[in-house]
Amino acid sequence: AQSVAQPEDQVNVAEGNPLTVKCTYSVSGNPYLFWYVQYPNRGLQFLLKYITGDNLVKGSYGFEAEFNKSQTSFHLKKPSALVSDSALYFCAVSRPTRDDKIIFGKGTRLHILP
Amino acid sequence: GAVVSQHPSRVICKSGTSVKIECRSLDFQATTMFWYRQFPKQSLMLMATSNEGSKATYEQGVEKDKFLINHASLTLSTLTVTSAHPEDSSFYICSARAGLYEQYFGPGTRLTVT
Repeated sequence: AQSVAQPEDQVNVAEGNPLTVKCTYSVSGNPYLFWYVQYPNRGLQFLLKYITGDNLVKGSYGFEAEFNKSQTSFHLKKPSALVSDSALYFCAVSRPTRDDKIIFGKGTRLHILP
Repeated sequence: GAVVSQHPSRVICKSGTSVKIECRSLDFQATTMFWYRQFPKQSLMLMATSNEGSKATYEQGVEKDKFLINHASLTLSTLTVTSAHPEDSSFYICSARAGLYEQYFGPGTRLTVT
């Protein structure tokens, strides 16, 4: 069965500094990988996905993520953090089969300090 | 982008009553929708997969007689929490599959059972 690990419950970054939110996955076969962001009392907003192709994926709001097959990681990054980036971030994985349910990590709360 | 709505956004009900939550794909047809619940400061837990015109597939540990799912059309799935109890209080989020890979999420419904 597929699973996702987000090792950090919370990440604190000063505004203007680069940020990284970590994610590792476990899945048989080729993974589909996703990042979502959630603001308080809101649903999830899609940030980016990796399906195939270039390992570096660019998404919304200046975020990007790098797929590393050997390390089974898909870390989320941004070169310069904004206070408005403060939110809850979820990494997720699914498989390219008919059983295409998405499994979420437990989430990482990102605090951008002004 | 694809839009998914949920109604109501917030509901308070008395213990023992039933509550229906609607999930609609507004600008696309979704043969598959998913229902999640989220406890405070926790990740999304997949409850069931809803397929248009057929019975929903429930995840292990989710009571299908407690959480009734109906996917009567390509744009609407409903979740009915029957005989609700305070422990059913949670944030319920639906998603609709668009295309092969992506799911779009609704804004969520906050259920409080008193």
